[in-house]
Amino acid sequence: KAGVTQTPRYLIKTRGQQVTLSCSPISGHRSVSWYQQTPGQGLQFLFEYFSETQRNKGNFPGRFSGRQFSNSRSEMNVSTLELGDSALYLCASSRTGQRGSETQYFGPGTRLLVL
Amino acid sequence: QQPVQSPQAVILREGEDAVINCSSSKALYSVHWYRQKHGEAPVFLMILLKGGEQKGHEKISASFNEKKQQSSLYLTASQLSYSGTYFCGTDHRGGAGGTSYGKLTFGQGTILTVHP
Repeated sequence: KAGVTQTPRYLIKTRGQQVTLSCSPISGHRSVSWYQQTPGQGLQFLFEYFSETQRNKGNFPGRFSGRQFSNSRSEMNVSTLELGDSALYLCASSRTGQRGSETQYFGPGTRLLVL
Repeated sequence: QQPVQSPQAVILREGEDAVINCSSSKALYSVHWYRQKHGEAPVFLMILLKGGEQKGHEKISASFNEKKQQSSLYLTASQLSYSGTYFCGTDHRGGAGGTSYGKLTFGQGTILTVHP
């Protein structure tokens, strides 16, 4: 079974630009969660999607948004990039995301550098 | 509020044991343990569930103390491949009710280095 895939793996953008990151979950998984990882703040939850609906959202500004498609693939978008948005963006998939007993499987991440 | 992991870093020689702790100020429903190597994705190790038993396989095991809202990860007879950063991720649904879809709250991580 293929794991979680994320594209692109690396991105360099400048302040003010916007960026779109993509995540393909494990086959059969319908829940996709996004996390931001930085040395200072660690792993922080951005949002979660299931059946094309955002069910949960972390404490991030509205510049961070996402969506999910009918095939469970998900994208996240960051508009008006700031230097502090430089981070590793990880997505994780699980079957339903509804139970604390479900494992979340992480993708390799997209490393974003904002100059 | 994120769980607190201790210690922040551990240095071991091959064959030595280590314990990594994860404490939460909020009631825990489950604790998920991951290991991340530099430049790679976090890899799932195990889940501890409220009311569940100690879990483990071979030389890595973990426990969950609901009363203390703590979990501990035990690594015995460490190997070079154990090196990496260990994270606990906590799920806090229950208590006041409601769900926390797809959200884990992670600790700051414990850096484990195993030397030959």
